[in-house]
Amino acid sequence: QQQVKQSPQSLIVQKGGISIINCAYENTAFDYFPWYQQFPGKGPALLIAIRPDVSEKKEGRFTISFNKSAKQFSLHIMDSQPGDSATYFCAASWGSTLGRLYFGRGTQLTVWP
Amino acid sequence: DADVTQTPRNRITKTGKRIMLECSQTKGHDRMYWYRQDPGLGLQLIYYSFDVKDINKGEISDGYSVSRQAQAKFSLSLESAIPNQTALYFCATSDSSGTQYNEQFFGPGTRLTVL
Repeated sequence: QQQVKQSPQSLIVQKGGISIINCAYENTAFDYFPWYQQFPGKGPALLIAIRPDVSEKKEGRFTISFNKSAKQFSLHIMDSQPGDSATYFCAASWGSTLGRLYFGRGTQLTVWP
Repeated sequence: DADVTQTPRNRITKTGKRIMLECSQTKGHDRMYWYRQDPGLGLQLIYYSFDVKDINKGEISDGYSVSRQAQAKFSLSLESAIPNQTALYFCATSDSSGTQYNEQFFGPGTRLTVL
């Protein structure tokens, strides 16, 4: 059973537009929600993360929005750039699992110039 | 030099062969992980180790085994490779010091093809 469901599987956005990727979870014990970014030929790398005590976290053009009651969180990329073209993974974990992450299936983002 | 290295980077093998993928890290982290990535399926956890004496199965451990030879080394073995084990394999590390919400650092991956 997939612990974290991610959509869409692929996304095409024009340069300067807003990219939005959504994730949903069922396990209310999850208390840490990171997003990882993966460029072709590379391993994933942490992009931004949020804990459920806040509803939003922003780092530059990247924002996580978190809705605890709906058990959903999303990544927004403002002013999307061709260099943002990558695969994005949402993930979740909780303290008792000592750092083990449950990943979504990924979204392949393409930003057209 | 890369903090997390994987060898080999690419490997083509035949059905039934035993193969070992190796991971080394210079980050001084105590936790290490092996993931498998398939298109459209994301990252699936195979095995993880929180210290040299601790090995745990992940979501898809059948057909795989691991060995934690030292804090810095974690190897993944396919005892008898089969074609549906063709995938991209990633090693990752994290540090248990501080909070439990530790960032995982991934290696560059090993592309394995089983014919």
